[in-house]
Amino acid sequence: QVQLVQSGAEVKNPGASVTVSCKASGYTFSDYGLHWVRQAPGQRLEWMALIKPGDGNTVYSQKFQDRVTITRDTSASTVHMELSRLTPEDTAVYYCARHGPVSMNDYWGQGTLVTVSS
Amino acid sequence: EIVLTQSPGSLSLSPGERATLSCRASQSVSQTYFAWLQQKPGQAPRLLIYGTSYRATGIPDRFSGSGSGTDFTLTISRLEPEDFAVYYCQQYSSSPRTFGQGTTVESK
Repeated sequence: QVQLVQSGAEVKNPGASVTVSCKASGYTFSDYGLHWVRQAPGQRLEWMALIKPGDGNTVYSQKFQDRVTITRDTSASTVHMELSRLTPEDTAVYYCARHGPVSMNDYWGQGTLVTVSS
Repeated sequence: EIVLTQSPGSLSLSPGERATLSCRASQSVSQTYFAWLQQKPGQAPRLLIYGTSYRATGIPDRFSGSGSGTDFTLTISRLEPEDFAVYYCQQYSSSPRTFGQGTTVESK
């Protein structure tokens, strides 16, 4: 069965960077893109980026494109999301979600809480 | 970007009742690229409906979706105890994909 397992919670100081990982299993990793979506407290879900593991191509939201980097490790079926220059407003749960056969987000990781506080 | 506005913000209903949730888009969305997700406290979102009206794997038939253009609807025909949750609409017709602010379905 398809599973996306994310790395654990992080606490960071303002100005630091954070990397969240998403390990995929149960399907051919290179066949489906992976999105990153975040949910700040009391806010709606917010799309950040997409990576196509097959060729490594990425698409970033304009809001985050100067601060986010998505990479993949095909040997480990894992995608990494790095967000830099953190502020308290980046405190959120970060999710990876698969880009399904008809573009929908059909499977989601369990989420990773990132807390930015001094 | 396309802004999705859901109504009502919350619904207070009893098990067995029918729930009707609405989502309005700021511009037209292709039916092929519209979805509904369910989220329970402390859990990740779960895909319910994609392509406006297609149920995702394992989703019971009491959930149905309809709509076109700028107006979309999720209907839960008879609420079960496990259906009390927050529901989000999502469009992936144009980039960036966006989400509504959510409708909370709570038990009366």
